[in-house]
Amino acid sequence: ETGVTQSPTHLIKTRGQQVTLRCSSQSGHNTVSWYQQALGQGPQFIFQYYREEENGRGNFPPRFSGLQFPNYSSELNVNALELDDSALYLCASSLRGERNNSPLHFGNGTRLTVT
Amino acid sequence: DAKTTQPNSMESNEEEPVHLPCNHSTISGTDYIHWYRQLPSQGPEYVIHGLTSNVNNRMASLAIAEDRKSSTLILHRATLRDAAVYYCILRKTSYDKVIFGPGTSLSVIP
Repeated sequence: ETGVTQSPTHLIKTRGQQVTLRCSSQSGHNTVSWYQQALGQGPQFIFQYYREEENGRGNFPPRFSGLQFPNYSSELNVNALELDDSALYLCASSLRGERNNSPLHFGNGTRLTVT
Repeated sequence: DAKTTQPNSMESNEEEPVHLPCNHSTISGTDYIHWYRQLPSQGPEYVIHGLTSNVNNRMASLAIAEDRKSSTLILHRATLRDAAVYYCILRKTSYDKVIFGPGTSLSVIP
């Protein structure tokens, strides 16, 4: 079984630019969520997608947006980058079901540096 | 969202058992207790989860207090590869968002 993969692994952008991060879910998973992790902190929930629709959002501004595709892969887009957006961005996939509490499977993240 | 509290850091000697505590005094009856760990330069990794009964798997054991207001992740024999940040979280269903706290940073001493 293929795990969660994220690309790119590292990225450097300039303040004000836009960035797109990509995630390929684990095979058979139908839900994807994105997290931002600043250095020394726990991951912070950005949003979650299920069946190509946003299904829950954390305390992040609208310039953070996402997409989930029919094959359950996903993108995170961030517009008008700010220095504080520098962080590790994690994608996690899971299988949503009414009778389970299936765990999240994380990728190893994309390290974004905004200068 | 119900919250969890964990010690910031713990130390263990290699090959000894480690008990990582988590308090969740506001847990509701439908909250599952999940544990994840994050090794350096990697994404978090699922360890174990449970609802009421103690749980065992190949990685660890989860001991849940009778009143469910606390739980303990048990690593039976710590290895150097177990050095990581361990997160205890609560989650009602498979489509609930996951809220991470700062976790416990575990150091394993050779």
